[in-house]
Amino acid sequence: SQQGEEDPQALSIQEGENATMNCSYKTSINNLQWYRQNSGRGLVHLILIRSNEREKHSGRLRVTLDTSKKSSSLLITASRAADTASYFCATDGNKLVFGAGTILRVKS
Amino acid sequence: GAVVSQHPSWVICKSGTSVKIECRSLDFQATTMFWYRQFPKQSLMLMATSNEGSKATYEQGVEKDKFLINHASLTLSTLTVTSAHPEDSSFYICSARDRGVYNSPLHFGNGTRLTVT
Repeated sequence: SQQGEEDPQALSIQEGENATMNCSYKTSINNLQWYRQNSGRGLVHLILIRSNEREKHSGRLRVTLDTSKKSSSLLITASRAADTASYFCATDGNKLVFGAGTILRVKS
Repeated sequence: GAVVSQHPSWVICKSGTSVKIECRSLDFQATTMFWYRQFPKQSLMLMATSNEGSKATYEQGVEKDKFLINHASLTLSTLTVTSAHPEDSSFYICSARDRGVYNSPLHFGNGTRLTVT
């Protein structure tokens, strides 16, 4: 069963704007990961945040984790057209379970 | 970085035939590999966990006789869709963990688009 649920389902923004995607999950986790998928391709790992971390940065990406609310957010700053993709959160208990994903479209 | 090679990238087959998909970790060893299925505009659904040297663990609702998994070495897992039917048409993606890295993220192959006619 899927555990992570992202919102919004789809997001359309202008290049240069920030994009924020949220993920909620149901059970306790060891870590939470964000992945990106270009259409018809495999997934690319973006960032992992452990259950004892609250915030993590990687380049233009910023991830937060609130274990009390069982939620995480992914912020992409200064978006580019090349950021257009689907983004998934995945919770890692014993195995990765993916959310439904957010389709991000960045218009140039 | 860790690379997972999945082959073929796409395949078209006739109903009733079997199709084998390979998943290889090119520069790391993977005790465990995962097979996912993805329908258009949907998320990945875990089908089974492939364990090197032992039987795969299938998720509820996935027929093990339909989707045969073999993980004969630390770098190769195969998924065989037996007696394929049009409803098996989907995007299949494998992934693997680097057993040499603590809490390794999953490394994904580029997927196989299967079309059964």
